[in-house]
Amino acid sequence: SQELEQSPQSLIVQEGKNLTINCTSSKTLYGLYWYKQKYGEGLIFLMMLQKGGEEKSHEKITAKLDEKKQQSSLHITASQPSHAGIYLCGADWYNTDKLIFGTGTRLQVFP
Amino acid sequence: DTEVTQTPKHLVMGMTNKKSLKCEQHMGHRAMYWYKQKAKKPPELMFVYSYEKLSINESVPSRFSPECPNSSLLNLHLHALQPEDSALYLCASSQEVARPYGYTFGSGTRLTVV
Repeated sequence: SQELEQSPQSLIVQEGKNLTINCTSSKTLYGLYWYKQKYGEGLIFLMMLQKGGEEKSHEKITAKLDEKKQQSSLHITASQPSHAGIYLCGADWYNTDKLIFGTGTRLQVFP
Repeated sequence: DTEVTQTPKHLVMGMTNKKSLKCEQHMGHRAMYWYKQKAKKPPELMFVYSYEKLSINESVPSRFSPECPNSSLLNLHLHALQPEDSALYLCASSQEVARPYGYTFGSGTRLTVV
C-alpha cells in the first residue's frame, strides 16, 4: 500500500496563478521533504519540515506541515514557467531508516 | 563540496553485460542510498548503507549488487539485467540514517538495457 499520497497528480496553471499541492501520510511522520525534478534529472531539494505546525518559505514557495504531522502542503504564489516540473514529497517515519516518496505532481505553467 | 556525483550519466548495456554505476560524495555523510525510478513514477528505494554496511535491501533481485568500498563511494554492480530494469538510477546521501539532516541526491544514471 502507498504510505504517502500526493494530490493532484497533475496540474496545469496559467502563469501568475497560485497553486497548492498536498501530501498525506497514513501515519505520523518524522520528517517531510519536498523535492522538485525536471524530467529525467536528479532531485532538487526544496524544503524539510519536522515540527508539527511548521511553515517554511523560499522565494515564492511555502511549505506547511500540520500539527498532527500527517499532512503537508506546498503552495506556489504567482507561478512562473520556471516552476514547471515534477514535485515530490518524501517522508520518513519513526523507527525507519528510509525515505519514501509520494506519487508526485506534474506541474505545467503556461504563459 | 555539497554534491553527490554519479557516473556515468547515461549507460546502454546488453542483457549479458556486466557494468557498474558509481556514486561519490565528499560531505562526510555516513549514509548512502540507491533508488530506482521508472518513467512517470516516484523513486523507489533499493538499498541503504550506513557506515559502509548494508542496512536495508528492499528485496532487490541479485542481478543488482551494491558495494560501499569506503565512506565516500557507493557502487551498484549490474549483471544479466532485463529490459524492464531500464530506468533512472539515483544515488543519495545523508549525514546519518537518523534524521533530521535531510538527503542530497545525485543527477542520476539513465540506464537502458537492450
